[in-house]
Amino acid sequence: DGGITQSPKYLFRKEGQNVTLSCEQNLNHDAMYWYRQDPGQGLRLIYYSQIVNDFQKGDIAEGYSVSREKKESFPLTVTSAQKNPTAFYLCASSIAALHSEQYFGPGTRLTVT
Amino acid sequence: DAKTTQPTSMDCAEGRAANLPCNHSTISGNEYVYWYRQIHSQGPQYIIHGLKNNETNEMASLIITEDRKSSTLILPHATLRDTAVYYCIVRPLLGAGSYQLTFGKGTKLSVIP
Repeated sequence: DGGITQSPKYLFRKEGQNVTLSCEQNLNHDAMYWYRQDPGQGLRLIYYSQIVNDFQKGDIAEGYSVSREKKESFPLTVTSAQKNPTAFYLCASSIAALHSEQYFGPGTRLTVT
Repeated sequence: DAKTTQPTSMDCAEGRAANLPCNHSTISGNEYVYWYRQIHSQGPQYIIHGLKNNETNEMASLIITEDRKSSTLILPHATLRDTAVYYCIVRPLLGAGSYQLTFGKGTKLSVIP
């Protein structure tokens, strides 16, 4: 059963703590992405990775970090430097970074208080 | 600063065709039109994409005007499970912005029993 998994679905953290969101895919896709969605808004790109051991900043990378040590995994760390971390975080993957549709995971809703 | 304009909301009777319009009057020659939808609190789902020819798949049809300044997504027989926010996205094949999907606010489609 191929797809993208994100865990957990809901995550709660105290302000000042770093938190890592998991994203795994078994689609054998080269490219992976992290987006953020705020209530009533569209998605905004945080980071993307075209291939293992490579990643690039998106539009709103400040306060976030990623790694891509394995093809199937692209974890996102929300650091304490992120001023408004409470949001819905979505991971996606595609066969290649260019000109291919992106497939999304179910998302992780992060609440920081 | 999304490059597309969509109505905020639309209703459609169950079993009827749902026609969702999108205006992209500034689209350039190397930009594709993509459609995604997002059911509440889930990850977006890819529907269809096209460059200038009309496209059809098992989910929907995409009609792009000859001047490419607008398009219409058609769900031929809407069901209650088609209730979602539908996003029309313009994405370049190459260059800046080609790696990401830039989501606007989309159209909230409500399928009425």
